[in-house]
Parts: sequence; structure tokens; C-alpha cells
Amino acid sequence: AQKVTQAQTEISVMEKEDVTLDCVYETRDTTYYLFWYKQPPSGELVFLIRRNSFDEQNEISGRYSWNFQKSTSSFNFTITASQVVDSAVYFCALSEAQRAGNMLTFGGGTRLMVKP
Amino acid sequence: GAVVSQHPSWVICKSGTSVKIECRSLDFQATTMFWYRQFPKQSLMLMATSNEGSKATYEQGVEKDKFLINHASLTLSTLTVTSAHPEDSSFYICSARDRGYTGELFFGEGSRLTVL
Repeated sequence: AQKVTQAQTEISVMEKEDVTLDCVYETRDTTYYLFWYKQPPSGELVFLIRRNSFDEQNEISGRYSWNFQKSTSSFNFTITASQVVDSAVYFCALSEAQRAGNMLTFGGGTRLMVKP
Repeated sequence: GAVVSQHPSWVICKSGTSVKIECRSLDFQATTMFWYRQFPKQSLMLMATSNEGSKATYEQGVEKDKFLINHASLTLSTLTVTSAHPEDSSFYICSARDRGYTGELFFGEGSRLTVL
């Protein structure tokens, strides 16, 4: 069975600090996808990144970066120079290629609060 | 990018009434749509997988007679909460998979249901 664990339920940082959100996953499939979504207070899910299991290259997009380590089944997300607008709940999610329709299993979420 | 629209965004109803939530894919055809429920400060839990032209597949513990799902066309799925009670108050989010693109899911804005 697939499972996603986000051990940090809440993180509070000061503006301009760097912060890393942890994500650990479990799956029996060799082909799977990992995602990060941002959920601001308004509720909608904002897609941040999708990574397939065969691509372990780290990715950087502006202030965001992701570290995918298959050896430790982790897909961590780092925000550098955090801003107040980064305050939101962040979800890591997993989709197994063998599951019909590619449904997502979400982690519990990490609530990030960036203080000015 | 692809857009999934939910309606209504907010709904308040009296206990015992039924509420219908619509999920539309605006610029693509979705053979599969998913319905998630999110209680306050919790993660998203999959309720059911909706396939166009066939019966929905419900996750364990989700009452199919309580949460009626209809996916009559490639662009529309509906979730009807029948005889709603206060414990059904939640944030309901749909997602749709583009039939022409594997692994990509698009989320609606969510619908917040409050049952008095």
C-alpha cells in the first residue's frame, strides 16, 4: 500500500529564512510520481512540481528547490529566503502508475507560517 | 493550462437537505475524476473515483448511498450529499485527469459545505 508521511505538522520561520519541508513515502511500485502542492487559506490546491520515479535529478525553480532521494524514499522541499506569501499548507503526494486513474495519496500536510 | 471548475464554492444548508456539487473540466476531456474530502486542518482523503459512463468506485468507509456520484459526460461529474448532517460539513475537492495525458491531474477550487 502507498503512504506519504510529512512528519512536520507546523513550521514557523522568520521572513528571509530558509526552510525545508520533509516528505517520506512508501510504495511497492517501481514507477510512481511524486508531487508537491500548496494550499493557501483560500483552499485551492496550487500545483508546484511533479517528479517521476526515474528522474532523481534535483530541481530548482526560483526560490523553490526539491531533493529527491530514492535511497531514503524522500522528496524534500526547500524554500530559500522565505516570504510571508509562502505561508500556507504544503502537501506532498504520491501516485502509483499501476493505480487506475493515477489517484493521489496525500501526506498529512505541513503548515508553514512565515513571520514578517 | 487546463482548468477544472467547481460549483458552488460555498454552500450552507439545513440538516436533512441534499446538496449537489459540480465538477467541470473546462478545456479538456476527463474520463476519470476524483472526489476528495478535507476536514479542517487535515489532509485530503479520497472518497471515490468517478469514471465516465460507469459507476463510481468508493473508498472504504465512504457510504455510496450518502455520497452519490454521477459522471454522465467527459466534462462533468457531480457529487450529491444526500440528507446532509453537520458531520458532513467539510471542504470537497475534485480533480480530473486529462484523457490525453497520463499522470497529470488538475484540481478544482474546492467547495465548502456547511450543514446547520
